[in-house]
Amino acid sequence: EAQVTQNPRYLITVTGKKLTVTCSQNMNHEYMSWYRQDPGLGLRQIYYSMNVEVTDKGDVPEGYKVSRKEKRNFPLILESPSPNQTSLYFCASRELQGGSYEQYFGPGTRLTVT
Amino acid sequence: GDSVTQMEGPVTLSEEAFLTINCTYTATGYPSLFWYVQYPGEGLQLLLKATKADDKGSNKGFEATYRKETTSFHLEKGSVQVSDSAVYFCALIPTGGGNKLTFGTGTQLKVEL
Repeated sequence: EAQVTQNPRYLITVTGKKLTVTCSQNMNHEYMSWYRQDPGLGLRQIYYSMNVEVTDKGDVPEGYKVSRKEKRNFPLILESPSPNQTSLYFCASRELQGGSYEQYFGPGTRLTVT
Repeated sequence: GDSVTQMEGPVTLSEEAFLTINCTYTATGYPSLFWYVQYPGEGLQLLLKATKADDKGSNKGFEATYRKETTSFHLEKGSVQVSDSAVYFCALIPTGGGNKLTFGTGTQLKVEL
């Protein structure tokens, strides 16, 4: 089954404690992206990656890092989380060339930083 | 830059009522347009799409027509069900693909018996 998986689904942590949210896709997609969803703001892109070792900032990259060492994985790293990073996070992937530009989303990770 | 504007929710309807969720966009050229749906506790799923002017996307009884002249992509369904209760997002990707989807803020739909 084609899917994007994220772990963990729920996470409560404290300010300053480094954390990583994993994302993996099994569709051999070149493009992967992270979004955060906040009430009244819709989804905003944090970082994206066009292929292995190619990453770039989205609209709200401050406080986040990513890496793309393998095509299937695109972890999101919060080196020193702060309460304003409390949000619902989604990973997504799609084909880079041609196709319908349809993005496939993971189930989401709800992060609370106290 | 590109932007998408959706009507604010929540929208509350009775079962079998007609649904319209308005969506307008600002973008150069001919972006591809999408409606995504988010059911409670789940990620986003593509509901329908249209890639050129006057295209009509349809799925599960939902329809939306790409109107270049009014820069709109309104979502409609003739008879909603309780199971349609969800948050609906309008989104676009720029002409030629670009590197991200630009989303509207989402419209929550509640359908009651």
